[in-house]
Amino acid sequence: GENVEQHPSTLSVQEGDSAVIKCTYSDSASNYFPWYKQELGKGPQLIIDIRSNVGEKKDQRIAVTLNKTAKHFSLHITETQPEDSAVYFCAAGLYNFNKFYFGSGTKLNVKP
Amino acid sequence: DSGVTQTPKHLITATGQRVTLRCSPRSGDLSVYWYQQSLDQGLQFLIQYYNGEERAKGNILERFSAQQFPDLHSELNLSSLELGDSALYFCASSVDRGDNSPLHFGNGTRLTVT
Repeated sequence: GENVEQHPSTLSVQEGDSAVIKCTYSDSASNYFPWYKQELGKGPQLIIDIRSNVGEKKDQRIAVTLNKTAKHFSLHITETQPEDSAVYFCAAGLYNFNKFYFGSGTKLNVKP
Repeated sequence: DSGVTQTPKHLITATGQRVTLRCSPRSGDLSVYWYQQSLDQGLQFLIQYYNGEERAKGNILERFSAQQFPDLHSELNLSSLELGDSALYFCASSVDRGDNSPLHFGNGTRLTVT
């Protein structure tokens, strides 16, 4: 099956700085890469996703890049704010079959 | 609010006992997924149901079982509970009609086995 590795496990940045979280996957058949944000006491919430036919996708301060050849994808958050503090999970899987394998999570702390 | 409802929010029980966790998917969603999240761990996929039928199985123990009912709500049954079963259990749902079907998670049930 798919194996998703996520780094770093914790990330601390100053408010206004950028944050980058990286994931690698093992199964070349994976074609869908969502990112989830989990705030304390809540379930993960989808924040952005990308399909394998796209190399980059941006939504305001959040962007995701995908390198299919190298089997890695990254989440970029610019101009971080304290409310960005949360645990972020990447996932990889097969879009049509809704099979997702999650990374181990990155705890992002944005210091005011 | 994702629209996925999980009950109860918290559950405390003793080893050896059996509990049932309940999930109501978003209106219109046909698929229900169950995930386990242990302390400081990622999300481990347990099982998926689609329109009442089991569709995929992950790392689900034999002591655990699930079902999806005709009204599409789902229950996860955990039996012969052990201390290591203490975790957050999340339910997610999706439309799952082959296109544009991201997962929407509920807020989880926190299970504590003492």
